Amino acid sequence: SAVISQKPSRDICQRGTSLTIQCQVDSQVTMMFWYRQQPGQSLTLIATANQGSEATYESGFVIDKFPISRPNLTFSTLTVSNMSPEDSSIYLCSVEDPGEGALTEAFFGQGTRLTVV
Amino acid sequence: QKEVEQDPGPLSVPEGAIVSLNCTYSNSAFQYFMWYRQYSRKGPELLMYTYSSGNKEDGRFTAQVDKSSKYISLFIRDSQPSDSATYLCAFLKTSYDKVIFGPGTSLSVIP
Repeated sequence: SAVISQKPSRDICQRGTSLTIQCQVDSQVTMMFWYRQQPGQSLTLIATANQGSEATYESGFVIDKFPISRPNLTFSTLTVSNMSPEDSSIYLCSVEDPGEGALTEAFFGQGTRLTVV
Repeated sequence: QKEVEQDPGPLSVPEGAIVSLNCTYSNSAFQYFMWYRQYSRKGPELLMYTYSSGNKEDGRFTAQVDKSSKYISLFIRDSQPSDSATYLCAFLKTSYDKVIFGPGTSLSVIP
């Protein structure tokens, strides 16, 4: 299993500013994932953070808007740049690790609740 | 057609009711079928998983898979207010694959 610490847990930001979200894992993992989740809505994968290479972004998400760092196997950051109210959402960090029965299990941080005003 | 679809919800039931949560999927390569539970202001956590078709029971929870129909269900018996959460179905093609999540169904169990 993996324990993930994510911070900040919530923030209220002015439009046009940027926020960096940090994700710390208690074990070394190859890939880390960043999701966005509107309240009561589905998880949307933003990107996969790979150590030692550029992040891989999903359709609709670009590096200029959501730059990601992955300096080592236990840490990653996601920056939400030039924020607008449409960026208000919950951002979740996740890792996937062999869990019960050696099955890939997704582990999540508690999320960052972002409100852009 | 979306790869995974789930009953949209939200679902509101009285305490003690039997709840049925359902997902359909289109990818016949999925072999592992999971349910994650997400409480408010928390990340999702694995609730239970099933390999291939059939049923799996864990206390008040039963996971059911019908691969021929590409349909999975989670049944909750004697539902409790503590079951109030969002339930996400999830899938793997192999045990080491990337998890694919459904959109989730929000459940409220009213005392």
